[in-house]
Amino acid sequence: DAMVIQNPRYQVTQFGKPVTLSCSQTLNHNVMYWYQQKSSQAPKLLFHYYDKDFNNEADTPDNFQSRRPNTSFCFLDIRSPGLGDAAMYLCATSRGSAARVNQPQHFGDGTRLSIL
Amino acid sequence: GNSVTQMEGPVTLSEEAFLTINCTYTATGYPSLFWYVQYPGEGLQLLLKATKADDKGSNKGFEATYRKETTSFHLEKGSVQVSDSAVYFCALSLGLKYIFGTGTRLKVLA
Repeated sequence: DAMVIQNPRYQVTQFGKPVTLSCSQTLNHNVMYWYQQKSSQAPKLLFHYYDKDFNNEADTPDNFQSRRPNTSFCFLDIRSPGLGDAAMYLCATSRGSAARVNQPQHFGDGTRLSIL
Repeated sequence: GNSVTQMEGPVTLSEEAFLTINCTYTATGYPSLFWYVQYPGEGLQLLLKATKADDKGSNKGFEATYRKETTSFHLEKGSVQVSDSAVYFCALSLGLKYIFGTGTRLKVLA
């Protein structure tokens, strides 16, 4: 089945130690998103890629970076994690173009990040 | 600005009860509307969608109608099951941007 896969499901890191979360997709979707979701809250968009074009949300901290080496993979890098960065991180994909907007998103199961 | 407002939970129902979860939105332009469901420890799954006014989305017994006049997209199900227990998110999209509501936790008791 075509899907969005996030690894690892659970990640523990130390305060200030860089961490990378990964996402891969077999849907061949051109748009990929990273969300941060804290307990009992709505997912908060951090950034998205439209093809290779990176789009950062205005309120995403500089501590969060992303890489998309190819269509299938996207990485979330947290350069110096703080206690407030403990959350579930969700990757999502969609098919987007000028002719096809407002398409549904497909989500992975998320990576739960804990900070010690 | 664009926003989505959902009723606060948790909503607790007995099995076979009728479900309504209210969702209203504010948007500039013509959004598509979605309901997503999130089971414990999992990501969000698309439950249903509607792309224009008066469209009705439906899936697995759930329904929601895109009401432009009331800017609403309420989720309904005639008879809930224990397996429907989850968090439900209402969302809108404008182009490539998605805005989610805060989610409503549903608990269905046997």
